[in-house]
Amino acid sequence: AQSVTQLGSHVSVSEGALVLLRCNYSSSVPPYLFWYVQYPNQGLQLLLKYTTGATLVKGINGFEAEFKKSETSFHLTKPSAHMSDAAEYFCAVSPFYNTDKLIFGTGTRLQVFP
Amino acid sequence: NAGVTQTPKFQVLKTGQSMTLQCAQDMNHNSMYWYRQDPGMGLRLIYYSASEGTTDKGEVPNGYNVSRLNKREFSLRLESAAPSQTSVYFCASSEALRGDAYNEQFFGPGTRLTVL
Repeated sequence: AQSVTQLGSHVSVSEGALVLLRCNYSSSVPPYLFWYVQYPNQGLQLLLKYTTGATLVKGINGFEAEFKKSETSFHLTKPSAHMSDAAEYFCAVSPFYNTDKLIFGTGTRLQVFP
Repeated sequence: NAGVTQTPKFQVLKTGQSMTLQCAQDMNHNSMYWYRQDPGMGLRLIYYSASEGTTDKGEVPNGYNVSRLNKREFSLRLESAAPSQTSVYFCASSEALRGDAYNEQFFGPGTRLTVL
């Protein structure tokens, strides 16, 4: 069965530092991939998505992610963290074999220190 | 467009009480979903509806029932609430039809439920 692994339940960075949030999926067939962000006491909001085509995907708020088939990864990055980036981030996959559902990772909470 | 709306935002129940969580979307989406979010466990799918008139169990359906009232509305019912159902509940919707190879979901703001 398809699964998603997010390494690190908590990540802390200083303001202005690189943000790297890791996501790996298990599948022999590349799925569709998503990153969602959840700000405190809010619902989930789509940051970016990979479907087909360019493997480097740009999203909102300066985030981007690169799909690497050989590594079955879809890591999220941002060159320079801002205090407003503090939130929980979820990686999700929509597998080809069952498009009724999204499968979510357990989330990574990002803290940004001044 | 309001997107996906949920009511209520907060609810406290006593063990054994029942309640219905309401969800509506105004995007003309085909599919709707109910998730629960618990610390360290991400989002777990309770039930979903791939189209009006159909519902299917997700990962954690026990203790819940759902109704797809029409294309816009999808409700979640707890018949006899238990403390283990204390959680944050999210409704989501998607344009995807069954068999579509792409399923981007849009989420509501959530309902925080506490069962004492």
